[in-house]
Amino acid sequence: GQNIDQPTEMTATEGAIVQINCTYQTSGFNGLFWYQQHAGEAPTFLSYNVLDGLEEKGRFSSFLSRSKGYSYLLLKELQMKDSASYLCAVKDSNYQLIWGAGTKLIIKP
Amino acid sequence: DTAVSQTPKYLVTQMGNDKSIKCEQNLGHDTMYWYKQDSKKFLKIMFSYNNKELIINETVPNRFSPKSPDKAHLNLHINSLELGDSAVYFCASTRGEVSGANVLTFGAGSRLTVL
Repeated sequence: GQNIDQPTEMTATEGAIVQINCTYQTSGFNGLFWYQQHAGEAPTFLSYNVLDGLEEKGRFSSFLSRSKGYSYLLLKELQMKDSASYLCAVKDSNYQLIWGAGTKLIIKP
Repeated sequence: DTAVSQTPKYLVTQMGNDKSIKCEQNLGHDTMYWYKQDSKKFLKIMFSYNNKELIINETVPNRFSPKSPDKAHLNLHINSLELGDSAVYFCASTRGEVSGANVLTFGAGSRLTVL
């Protein structure tokens, strides 16, 4: 079966750095996405990786290792508004998106 | 100027009733989707339409019937509602169906509660 694993919940301090990991086992790979979802709201796109390496976008970076079936989302200079769930999703060989359950990130002052 | 709008935002109804959720996108996208997000927060695709044609129909009960009158609209009708249908239903759209970094744009969600 296809599987996406992420930690259920993480806690970090305002101003700090946090890394949210995602491991996947899918039938084929056509890209990995990270979405942010605030409570009661819609998911919004953060990043896309299809080649190995690091993609940086402001305070957020996303890393991919296809050989290890592994990605992480790195959030720097954390702000209270970063409190949200972070969803990892992988496109399989049929270009269907397989979603993880998300990691709830709690930011403390 | 909402890109993907769905109504209603909240829906509380009794078991056995029939209800509809409407979705419209003004992005000019070709593909629209319905997702279900349950209490465990997993997003599961239910249906996908590309230019008014059904392209994905995951294993959902046939009580759920999508209807796409044109490529900007994808409505979801649910017959004989059951307790297990309680969830948040998200409409979404993308510019293309396959390949590339086709980013999903989601609507705000419709929270369905079946009593």
